[in-house]
Amino acid sequence: EAGVAQSPRYKIIEKRQSVAFWCNPISGHATLYWYQQILGQGPKLLIQFQNNGVVDDSQLPKDRFSAERLKGVDSTLKIQPAKLEDSAVYLCASSFPGSEANYGYTFGSGTRLTVV
Amino acid sequence: AQSVAQPEDQVNVAEGNPLTVKCTYSVSGNPYLFWYVQYPNRGLQFLLKYITGDNLVKGSYGFEAEFNKSQTSFHLKKPSALGSDSALYFCAVSGDNAGNMLTFGGGTRLMVKP
Repeated sequence: EAGVAQSPRYKIIEKRQSVAFWCNPISGHATLYWYQQILGQGPKLLIQFQNNGVVDDSQLPKDRFSAERLKGVDSTLKIQPAKLEDSAVYLCASSFPGSEANYGYTFGSGTRLTVV
Repeated sequence: AQSVAQPEDQVNVAEGNPLTVKCTYSVSGNPYLFWYVQYPNRGLQFLLKYITGDNLVKGSYGFEAEFNKSQTSFHLKKPSALGSDSALYFCAVSGDNAGNMLTFGGGTRLMVKP
C-alpha cells in the first residue's frame, strides 16, 4: 500500500513570508494529523482531523497557522507569516479511526522548513 | 491530558552490550504504547507497540519492550546492540479514552560505540 505522501520535502523561506505544505494520507484513513518536530525534540501535535472535521487544534498557533481538509482526504497546512521559530520538520500522519490499536499510525517523510 | 517522559536525552552503549531506553507515560483509560525510531533526515519508523496481552512485546530489528502497568513504564530493550541501532528513539502513547491522539516523548538519542 502507498504510504503517506508529503510535499515539498524541503522549503526555505524568509521570515514574514507564507508557506504551505501538502499531505495525502493512506487511502481509507479518515484520521489525519499534523505534527511539528523542532530539531532535537519530539513531535508535537498541531491539529487532528477526522474526515473534514477538526478533532483537536488546541496546540495550533491560530494567529499564523491554518489547516484544512476540505474533502476529507488531502490536507494543507499553511503558515502566514512565518517566524524564525517555525523552523522545523512538519510531519503528517494518518490512521484508520478505531483501528489504531491494530494498525497504528503511518507517518510521512515530512517537510523540513527553514525560516531565515 | 496524556504525556510521555523519556528521562535520558542520550544513552551510550558499547556494541554487543544490552541496551535499555526508558519511557514512562500518563494517560486516562487503557494505554496504547508505541516506539518509533528516526534516522537522520528520515521519517519516523514504527518499531513496536503494546495494546493488550503479554507485557513483553517484540518488534522490528530485535527490539522488545516491557509494559509495566504499576510503574506506568514501557522501556525499550535489545539484548545486543549494533552500531546501526544508533538513532533517535521516541516513545508515544495513545489510549482508548484519548480520541486516538498520539503524544510523543522528547526522544532519546542512542549512541552505540564499537
